[in-house]
Amino acid sequence: AQSVTQLGSHVSVSEGALVLLRCNYSSSVPPYLFWYVQYPNQGLQLLLKYTSAATLVKGINGFEAEFKKSETSFHLTKPSAHMSDAAEYFCADNRGSTLGRLYFGRGTQLTVWP
Amino acid sequence: DTAVSQTPKYLVTQMGNDKSIKCEQNLGHDTMYWYKQDSKKFLKIMFSYNNKELIINETVPNRFSPKSPDKAHLNLHINSLELGDSAVYFCASSPRDRGRDYTFGSGTRLTVV
Repeated sequence: AQSVTQLGSHVSVSEGALVLLRCNYSSSVPPYLFWYVQYPNQGLQLLLKYTSAATLVKGINGFEAEFKKSETSFHLTKPSAHMSDAAEYFCADNRGSTLGRLYFGRGTQLTVWP
Repeated sequence: DTAVSQTPKYLVTQMGNDKSIKCEQNLGHDTMYWYKQDSKKFLKIMFSYNNKELIINETVPNRFSPKSPDKAHLNLHINSLELGDSAVYFCASSPRDRGRDYTFGSGTRLTVV
């Protein structure tokens, strides 16, 4: 069963608009959730992570995400999109596993229009 | 001072060949991983090693053989390459704790022709 679901494989916004990328998790154990960004032909860079401390997590490049247990969600937001935000974004969960494997969502391609 | 480095970055080879991808991390992490990213950009774990010990071995053809000579290195050897092996392979490392930060390499794009 898919551990992490990202709604919308493609999201397009205008520069300066709000960015909202959706992620829902399904693990029955307390999740450890991550958002990664992948720029073209590059590796994955950690944007932010939730590890059961504060539910509102701030990350790099102005991104933040809020953990909502009641909605099993961990959506990524940014108040104002920049052209440089165009990339593929992945949500992941390691289900608090000591083995450490990450279960990735299928990714959301963010396009930013000028 | 790259944290997780993989070589080569690009690899083009013919079907049936044997190839290796090397990975090194200088973060002092205990755990290293290989992930495969397919043509639809889906990422899935292949293997994980902790202090040179294999701890995760997903359903991967036995043509794929990881080797960890020490905890800073995790190499991936692939025998008898097939067209379907074409993908981007990412190495990653992390410390051994539940709130771990995973650090990924920049990937190796393997193309089998």
